[in-house]
Amino acid sequence: DIQMTQSPSSLSASVGDRVTITCRASQSINIFLNWYQQKPGKAPKLLIYGAASLQSGVPSTFSGSGSGTDFTLTISSLQPEDFATYYCQQTYSIPATFGGGTRVE
Amino acid sequence: EVQLVESGGDLVQPGGSLRLSCAASGFTFSRYWMTWVRQTPGKGLEWVANIKQDGSETSHVDSVKGRFTISRDNARNSLYLQMSSLRAEDTAIYYCARSSVHCSSPSCRLYSDYWGQGTLVTVSS
Repeated sequence: DIQMTQSPSSLSASVGDRVTITCRASQSINIFLNWYQQKPGKAPKLLIYGAASLQSGVPSTFSGSGSGTDFTLTISSLQPEDFATYYCQQTYSIPATFGGGTRVE
Repeated sequence: EVQLVESGGDLVQPGGSLRLSCAASGFTFSRYWMTWVRQTPGKGLEWVANIKQDGSETSHVDSVKGRFTISRDNARNSLYLQMSSLRAEDTAIYYCARSSVHCSSPSCRLYSDYWGQGTLVTVSS
């Protein structure tokens, strides 16, 4: 199985900050990397698919980049509603695997 | 509006069985792959299984192979997860998700674009 490693596991930030979360795959996954946001008691919400494609309805303050093994999720200006946990997921091979999550607080 | 509503979660004893259901609406169910994902406090998010539009292809994570079976009924717009020989480590919130296709020539892969609210399965004596 492909292992997904996210860093950091948590971070502290303020409204207006630029936030960067990284995700590393244990082998190349092309660009088949997705990012999800999850708030307490809610289901994950898709933000980015294919490493850099913004899901419909997601604010443009979110962006993704990377290919191969190294990927980044960037929030250009953190908003109050962005405090949540973020997960990366590779869908290059089965089983699709998730990173351990990054809590933004 | 895409809606996915899971049901069937319950408290069950180790070794028991349970069938989860997911009712889909707001999209043409038969045109999409569908996926089950579970979440535990200890192990985070874990992909469990997926199924092709017509049910002809399925995949399951190794930890549930031989115990869980994903299926669908396109006439009822419903997805199912039949769970047997349940273990304490199967305790989790189970989400169903619609899966769309993304292609980067020459390959295509799935991503889960809409998720249900989840149903809790607790395996305990």
